[in-house]
Amino acid sequence: QKEVEQNSGPLSVPEGAIASLNCTYSDRGSQSFFWYRQYSGKSPELIMSIYSNGDKEDGRFTAQLNKASQYVSLLIRDSQPSDSATYLCAVNEEGYSTLTFGKGTMLLVSP
Amino acid sequence: SQTIHQWPATLVQPVGSPLSLECTVEGTSNPNLYWYRQAAGRGLQLLFYSVGIGQISSEVPQNLSASRPQDRQFILSSKKLLLSDSGFYLCAWSPALDSAGNQPQHFGDGTRLSIL
Repeated sequence: QKEVEQNSGPLSVPEGAIASLNCTYSDRGSQSFFWYRQYSGKSPELIMSIYSNGDKEDGRFTAQLNKASQYVSLLIRDSQPSDSATYLCAVNEEGYSTLTFGKGTMLLVSP
Repeated sequence: SQTIHQWPATLVQPVGSPLSLECTVEGTSNPNLYWYRQAAGRGLQLLFYSVGIGQISSEVPQNLSASRPQDRQFILSSKKLLLSDSGFYLCAWSPALDSAGNQPQHFGDGTRLSIL
């Protein structure tokens, strides 16, 4: 059974701080890693994809991947109240059409 | 660009009634299609996925069924709804697997289903 684990939170950070969201996965065959943002009552929205070890930056977002430790993280710099949402980590194995999702971490950014 | 349409946005149904939710994708051919359910405060549960017309894989035994009558159309159905079928139903699509083998999924706006 493939598992993707996330701390449910909530993770509370003040406006302007760095938010760090973490995710671990069980399947060493996993090749692709995605972060989705889900606002309350809305559908998940893809915000980052990462496929190789190391960091990938996109604006205020940085995804970090360490396949040896089976760990992927998302850093949000200069957090804004509009970043308050649940962040879902998703993982898939090469050649498979399905994703395994974590249950998500709720992020609360206070003004 | 690709777009995914899902309707209706909200639905209130009595126990025992039938269900039909529809999802269509535009701007791509032969997409992989998915149906998920998200119960209140819970994670995403994959219900069905399809890699082609008439090809349906079921992940969870349910009183639900899925069909793919056309390349870019995915339908979720039930003959008799249960109270436990309440939830947020999401359709998603991804490009067919290429040589890299990995593609993200993109979600529709979802249908919030309440069973009374």
